Amino acid sequence: DTAVSQTPKYLVTQMGNDKSIKCEQNLGHDTMYWYKQDSKKFLKIMFSYNNKELIINETVPNRFSPKSPDKAHLNLHINSLELGDSAVYFCASSQGGSGSGNTIYFGEGSWLTVV
Amino acid sequence: GNSVTQMEGPVTLSEEAFLTINCTYTATGYPSLFWYVQYPGEGLQLLLKATKADDKGSNKGFEATYRKETTSFHLEKGSVQVSDSAVYFCALSERGGSNYKLTFGKGTLLTVNP
Repeated sequence: DTAVSQTPKYLVTQMGNDKSIKCEQNLGHDTMYWYKQDSKKFLKIMFSYNNKELIINETVPNRFSPKSPDKAHLNLHINSLELGDSAVYFCASSQGGSGSGNTIYFGEGSWLTVV
Repeated sequence: GNSVTQMEGPVTLSEEAFLTINCTYTATGYPSLFWYVQYPGEGLQLLLKATKADDKGSNKGFEATYRKETTSFHLEKGSVQVSDSAVYFCALSERGGSNYKLTFGKGTLLTVNP
């Protein structure tokens, strides 16, 4: 069983469209994340949720809206897609925060291409 | 703020060569330190971690020691294999405001040739 699964894995869409990426974890963790990896492989946190509560919103444009219906799910909705949104988006989860040394488990990524 | 600086790649080695990837950090407190690995087309996997000074993390022949005096967490392996070819990321996280995020270095691409 995949611990952190996200769908779709590949997404090609036109500028201006709205799209969603779904994420589910079956590890029983209380914390979930979205990270963005750009074309140079640089990884940056977008959002962190702990027990469905938004903890970190790292200066992400408000076109990006995360939603956590329960502790096992964290979906990412993106409005009015722009070319610069093309990237790989990783969902992740952990039990407690990583500052305490807890391991963050990553999904396989969703490759978004905006044309 | 927190930051991680790691050796720029790409790094190309022959099989059985010794590997070092340097990583230094800036943090306001006492962070936990991590190395993650990303194989081609895949997500990130934890390679090893250390949560306090002088701790040594190890896994799959890789090692890194948390050096508070030099704010470093260099990754080493005595004899690399072709299967170690991947991108390696050094990262840190702190209790408090940064407890719920990893700050990553820019990644180092390692290619091991047979």
